Amino acid sequence: DQQVKQNSPSLSVQEGRISILNCDYTNSMFDYFLWYKKYPAEGPTFLISISSIKDKNEDGRFTVFLNKSAKHLSLHIVPSQPGDSAVYFCAASAKASGTYKYIFGTGTRLKVLA
Amino acid sequence: EPEVTQTPSHQVTQMGQEVILRCVPISNHLYFYWYRQILGQKVEFLVSFYNNEISEKSEIFDDQFSVERPDGSNFTLKIRSTKLEDSAMYFCASLLEAVAADTQYFGPGTRLTVL
Repeated sequence: DQQVKQNSPSLSVQEGRISILNCDYTNSMFDYFLWYKKYPAEGPTFLISISSIKDKNEDGRFTVFLNKSAKHLSLHIVPSQPGDSAVYFCAASAKASGTYKYIFGTGTRLKVLA
Repeated sequence: EPEVTQTPSHQVTQMGQEVILRCVPISNHLYFYWYRQILGQKVEFLVSFYNNEISEKSEIFDDQFSVERPDGSNFTLKIRSTKLEDSAMYFCASLLEAVAADTQYFGPGTRLTVL
């Protein structure tokens, strides 16, 4: 049961251009969404989050958009830099679970070309 | 900046042996988690722990698994009799409080290899 899906396993973008990573979810109880960045042999590193009461959150080069009616969120990175090359996971949690466990997507490997 | 630490970074064991993976969460955090990632797959929730007891566990977390917070600082995951399919990266995470807009912080992981 894949409640959180990232349909693009990989994405290549030229340095300086915009990277758009997409994530879809099925559980309408999710109320908090996050993006994590992961390098090989390291733990996920928190990048940016958004609560279900918002539709946009911005932090520097990173912006997350949430479309609740479509159950879709996206991460925009602009401008993309070679150091952004990593695997990006979206994650979702639900207050109803009581524990705020995260359900992760399968990840998208971003490669930013110099 | 406070961080979650995990030891060892890599553990190799024979099938059927017991392993204990250790984590030191961020000191004032109250909620603790274990996740695992089989190579090339997604990060999967295993168990959450609060107030010295398991608050939720996934189907993966069967009787072979147990967690403990023995001394108020360490948080351990024990696998009693390891199987080949337990080979994965195991991540510990901690959370200050389970409210909206709080964030789990992950450790660097322990790579478990079962031979």
